[in-house]
Amino acid sequence: KAGVTQTPRYLIKTRGQQVTLSCSPISGHRSVSWYQQTPGQGLQFLFEYFSETQRNKGNFPGRFSGRQFSNSRSEMNVSTLELGDSALYLCASSSGSWSYNEQFFGPGTRLTVL
Amino acid sequence: TQLLEQSPQFLSIQEGENLTVYCNSSSVFSSLQWYRQEPGEGPVLLVTVVTGGEVKKLKRLTFQFGDARKDSSLHITAAQPGDTGLYLCAGATGTASKLTFGTGTRLQVTL
Repeated sequence: KAGVTQTPRYLIKTRGQQVTLSCSPISGHRSVSWYQQTPGQGLQFLFEYFSETQRNKGNFPGRFSGRQFSNSRSEMNVSTLELGDSALYLCASSSGSWSYNEQFFGPGTRLTVL
Repeated sequence: TQLLEQSPQFLSIQEGENLTVYCNSSSVFSSLQWYRQEPGEGPVLLVTVVTGGEVKKLKRLTFQFGDARKDSSLHITAAQPGDTGLYLCAGATGTASKLTFGTGTRLQVTL
């Protein structure tokens, strides 16, 4: 079974621009979660999508948004980029039906904002 | 806000030594997971513990979930250089897929 894939792996943007990151979950998984990882804050939950609906949301500003398509693929968008948005953005997929919430992570997209 | 504190933050040991990493919180979690992350990669799930007092063994790794489901530990016996990485605990509440991650323990094992 193929793992979680994320594209692109690396991205460089300038302040004020917007960016879209993509995530393809493990086949059969219906839940996709997004996390931001920085050296200072560690891994922080952004949001989760399940069957095309946002099911959970973290404490991030509205500049961070996402969506999920009918094939469970998900995209995350960040508008009006700030320097502090530089981070590793991780996508995780799970079946969504287990109460144990085991999640499988992709390799991440490294975003650098200049 | 749920917080998971890990200790120690950094650990540098020699091959063959034993070590324990702790993950503590004031919140109760329905399940707790341990991940290992290597540079440039996403975290890889090692184990999930769900019952208070549960102990799980994975070869040289032993995971324990506290009786009150607020804390956990990871013990590595006879560490090897391949164990090097960032170890993260993560707690979940209810059936939500939102994980609260610990602060992380960076382990380096040298020959």
